[in-house]
Amino acid sequence: GENVEQHPSTLSVQEGDSAVIKCTYSDSASNYFPWYKQELGKGPQLIIDIRSNVGEKKDQRIAVTLNKTAKHFSLHITETQPEDSAVYFCAATSNTGGFKTIFGAGTRLFVKA
Amino acid sequence: NAGVTQTPKFQVLKTGQSMTLQCAQDMNHNSMYWYRQDPGMGLRLIYYSASEGTTDKGEVPNGYNVSRLNKREFSLRLESAAPSQTSVYFCASSEFLYTEAFFGQGTRLTVV
Repeated sequence: GENVEQHPSTLSVQEGDSAVIKCTYSDSASNYFPWYKQELGKGPQLIIDIRSNVGEKKDQRIAVTLNKTAKHFSLHITETQPEDSAVYFCAATSNTGGFKTIFGAGTRLFVKA
Repeated sequence: NAGVTQTPKFQVLKTGQSMTLQCAQDMNHNSMYWYRQDPGMGLRLIYYSASEGTTDKGEVPNGYNVSRLNKREFSLRLESAAPSQTSVYFCASSEFLYTEAFFGQGTRLTVV
């Protein structure tokens, strides 16, 4: 079946450093790629998303890049802060045979003050 | 503005019991979803409803049924709970498919 691989599973950075999380997807029909942040005991919250006709998108300290040829997309967080500590999930969405969204397994990010 | 509200927040069931998880959204969204989240596996789509009056299977629909009661409410039913259904269940909604999804706080279900 279709899958999304997410790396690393755990990431520890010093406050102020950058963090990069990478995802690779298998369904070439995927056309919508959201990133979610999940804090302990809460539901996921969208932080940024990108569509297949765009290569890069930025929102303040957060950016996402997409390489459709390589089926690869990445989340970049600059100037990390302790409140960025959470679990981050990528997802790839397509409409092949109906709506389909596959999530990565998640990255636990620790930002040390 | 409550967003997406799920009830209950916690539930313990015995194997074979049935129950319904309730979900309501107040954002006038057309699309609603049910996911389950298991440790180390991310979220998996159980069922979704693209618009009022339609429901479709997701990645892991076996053992579940859903009802889109109206535009606001989307319920998930376990007819005969099994230990493999122990999980955290999330309801979500979005204006349309392929747009930003808003998630509820989750229901932690344990089947013993």
